[in-house]
Amino acid sequence: NAGVTQTPKFQVLKTGQSMTLQCAQDMNHNSMYWYRQDPGMGLRLIYYSASEGTTDKGEVPNGYNVSRLNKREFSLRLESAAPSQTSVYFCASSPDEKLFFGSGTQLSVL
Amino acid sequence: GESVGLHLPTLSVQEGDNSIINCAYSNSASDYFIWYKQESGKGPQFIIDIRSNMDKRQGQRVTVLLNKTVKHLSLQIAATQPGDSAVYFCAERGSGGSYIPTFGRGTSLIVHP
Repeated sequence: NAGVTQTPKFQVLKTGQSMTLQCAQDMNHNSMYWYRQDPGMGLRLIYYSASEGTTDKGEVPNGYNVSRLNKREFSLRLESAAPSQTSVYFCASSPDEKLFFGSGTQLSVL
Repeated sequence: GESVGLHLPTLSVQEGDNSIINCAYSNSASDYFIWYKQESGKGPQFIIDIRSNMDKRQGQRVTVLLNKTVKHLSLQIAATQPGDSAVYFCAERGSGGSYIPTFGRGTSLIVHP
């Protein structure tokens, strides 16, 4: 039982490049989330999906798009990466109030 | 202690001591609170939770106290061990049906052997 799996673990992009962060969960949870974590800033919600087929903006959605491909997978896309998007990205899933997190993707935008 | 709006505070303790990590929350309507532990290079991991109809909840070596009057939450770790070294986050959920928690900025706990 892998829980929440994120790929890649590390990524370096140049400004303007695009990429998709992948997330999959095998716990049959309805809700999935994308957070970013910056030093001293805690976890900030980018987008979430309460159930398959729905997505909603969180606190910091600008510059990102998401896709809830099916119940298992929730991807985060950066269409044109900016240095301000350098961060650690965490995907999470939940059956209720408790969130289960992946191990994160460390993204650097140069 | 931890609060939204402050820089990451640090708590240093000796192995075997008890640790108390504090959290001030802002929303008086919040009805559910969770503590997460994040070790270096990993995602946050659930430790313990408490609902607003309780003042105290105990787990294995951890206790969470909730004071709704002053909107304060604390996590107590008994007999702190080096493996407890991590960043600890409190999270609150506002009432109204949404499951989405709001996270504080975290407290770094350093345990010296």
